[in-house]
Amino acid sequence: DGGITQSPKYLFRKEGQNVTLSCEQNLNHDAMYWYRQDPGQGLRLIYYSQIVNDFQKGDIAEGYSVSREKKESFPLTVTSAQKNPTAFYLCASSIEGFPGNTIYFGEGSWLTVV
Amino acid sequence: AQSVAQPEDQVNVAEGNPLTVKCTYSVSGNPYLFWYVQYPNRGLQFLLKYITGDNLVKGSYGFEAEFNKSQTSFHLKKPSALVSDSALYFCAVRDGSSNTGKLIFGQGTTLQVKP
Repeated sequence: DGGITQSPKYLFRKEGQNVTLSCEQNLNHDAMYWYRQDPGQGLRLIYYSQIVNDFQKGDIAEGYSVSREKKESFPLTVTSAQKNPTAFYLCASSIEGFPGNTIYFGEGSWLTVV
Repeated sequence: AQSVAQPEDQVNVAEGNPLTVKCTYSVSGNPYLFWYVQYPNRGLQFLLKYITGDNLVKGSYGFEAEFNKSQTSFHLKKPSALVSDSALYFCAVRDGSSNTGKLIFGQGTTLQVKP
């Protein structure tokens, strides 16, 4: 079954902890993205990667880190430096090379600070 | 810098009536425009996109959108709304002059269709 798989669906983080959200795709897409969704603010880009072993900061990268060691995987780590991490996190992917290519999304992960 | 505006936080329509969800954009180069729908606690589902050509784009679930270059708009429409269309709708744009591939989203519009 092709698609983008995010895990876990729900994650609770204690103050001062780092947590990692998983994103795997079997669509053979070159590009992968992480977005954060807060109520009333739409989606904001955290990091994106257009090719393996390379990634760029998006608009709100502070307090987050990523890696792209494999084409199909793009994990996001929310570090303790992220002061307000409670949000819905969406991973996405697309074929690279043309701005008209559609970006497809996973089902999202909820992160809550407790 | 590219941007997208969805001027209405919420749109209310009666089932069977036509619906319109508004979107305007700003880009430096050619716009590549997208509409997505999100149901509660789910990811975004792609509805339709404009790349070039015909200004009226048809998409999934009976939705269509009209590209208007002079008004820099890309409004989402459906001739007859269903209760099941109730969801959060996002307009998004990519700037054709940028090589980053970044997709910029509007704030979202909640569509409420009442029986």
